[in-house]
Amino acid sequence: GNSVTQMEGPVTLSEEAFLTINCTYTATGYPSLFWYVQYPGEGLQLLLKATKADDKGSNKGFEATYRKETTSFHLEKGSVQVSDSAVYFCALSSLTGNQFYFGTGTSLTVIP
Amino acid sequence: DAGVIQSPRHEVTEMGQEVTLRCKPISGHDYLFWYRQTMMRGLELLIYFNNNVPIDDSGMPEDRFSAKMPNASFSTLKIQPSEPRDSAVYFCASSLAGGNTIYFGEGSWLTVV
Repeated sequence: GNSVTQMEGPVTLSEEAFLTINCTYTATGYPSLFWYVQYPGEGLQLLLKATKADDKGSNKGFEATYRKETTSFHLEKGSVQVSDSAVYFCALSSLTGNQFYFGTGTSLTVIP
Repeated sequence: DAGVIQSPRHEVTEMGQEVTLRCKPISGHDYLFWYRQTMMRGLELLIYFNNNVPIDDSGMPEDRFSAKMPNASFSTLKIQPSEPRDSAVYFCASSLAGGNTIYFGEGSWLTVV
């Protein structure tokens, strides 16, 4: 079956530190992979996505590369800001795109 | 372009009362999802529709929960009777077949006392 496993939180970093949030997946075929971000009191927003192996999604300084050989889609940012404090969800969609599987979310707090 | 619109944003109700949450998906999207988010259980898919037809309701907790989609631009999630353990944030989301990105509403924050 399909599933997503992501790094347990919470994660606390100082401003300008390097961020990695690990995400691995199990899927049949070649799913699309996503990172969503949820700021306090808000809904989930699409942060970035990749639809095939070796694709790199990027947005707002965040990047993630679809690695088929390691079934991973780790989220990275070179220099985090206080405004990046949020919960980050890794997700995959099935081949038909109508079933999404979310990870448990990783809470990130960035301190000045 | 308007996103997914949910109402109410916040609701506090007494145990035993009926609660109705509403959702307007993004125009043209033919998939609609209802999720529930709690600290204990995280994000759970309750039910999803395709072209207004319920496809999978296996995530609906029990018979107290029901969802309808009478047309392409409106859906409701109803809880009757409500219980304190139903307190959660309920998200509606929609997607376009083939586009495979889900767009979420801002959520309805429900507290049952």
